[in-house]
Amino acid sequence: GAVVSQHPSRVICKSGTSVKIECRSLDFQATTMFWYRQFPKQSLMLMATSNEGSKATYEQGVEKDKFLINHASLTLSTLTVTSAHPEDSSFYICSALLRLNSPLHFGNGTRLTVT
Amino acid sequence: GENVEQHPSTLSVQEGDSAVIKCTYSDSASNYFPWYKQELGKRPQLIIDIRSNVGEKKDQRIAVTLNKTAKHFSLHITETQPEDSAVYFCAATTQGGSEKLVFGKGTKLTVNP
Repeated sequence: GAVVSQHPSRVICKSGTSVKIECRSLDFQATTMFWYRQFPKQSLMLMATSNEGSKATYEQGVEKDKFLINHASLTLSTLTVTSAHPEDSSFYICSALLRLNSPLHFGNGTRLTVT
Repeated sequence: GENVEQHPSTLSVQEGDSAVIKCTYSDSASNYFPWYKQELGKRPQLIIDIRSNVGEKKDQRIAVTLNKTAKHFSLHITETQPEDSAVYFCAATTQGGSEKLVFGKGTKLTVNP
């Protein structure tokens, strides 16, 4: 079945630094990828929709200059958390769409801790 | 935009009993309703889904029902087992459109042996 790989699985960084998270579709080309954030004991909240070759579409309340998304190829999307703060500590999960009307496939997630 | 409400937030059952989780959605254009199971620290796993042209779908011990008129859908787990313990999320989206999944807040299911 379709596999989505997300890296790193865990990252600890100091406040003020930037962190890049990669999301790859391993055996299919994903025209669309989605980035979600999940705080402890809460639901998945959509941050942005990433389309290959175009700018990401951010959800209301998500700072596009803080959460930089790049979808340079049909198999790779990256999320960069810039100038990270402790409140950015969360579980970030990407998902990829194989084709329209197909189920989403999720990556394993990245646990970000900002100290 | 779409809004998905999920109840209950926590559910505790005895092994062998049934568990029912209910969700409502607001956007009448939504046409795809997946259910995900998420264990602690892991990715959500799709367990069953239903499209708006179907009223019910079953896969072994798991079933989902959809009432388009009332805009609600439910997850039914029969003969629950301890390994069913997890957080379950319902979601809704308009496939063929934005494909964006909007999730409910989740239900923590505990199956007591």
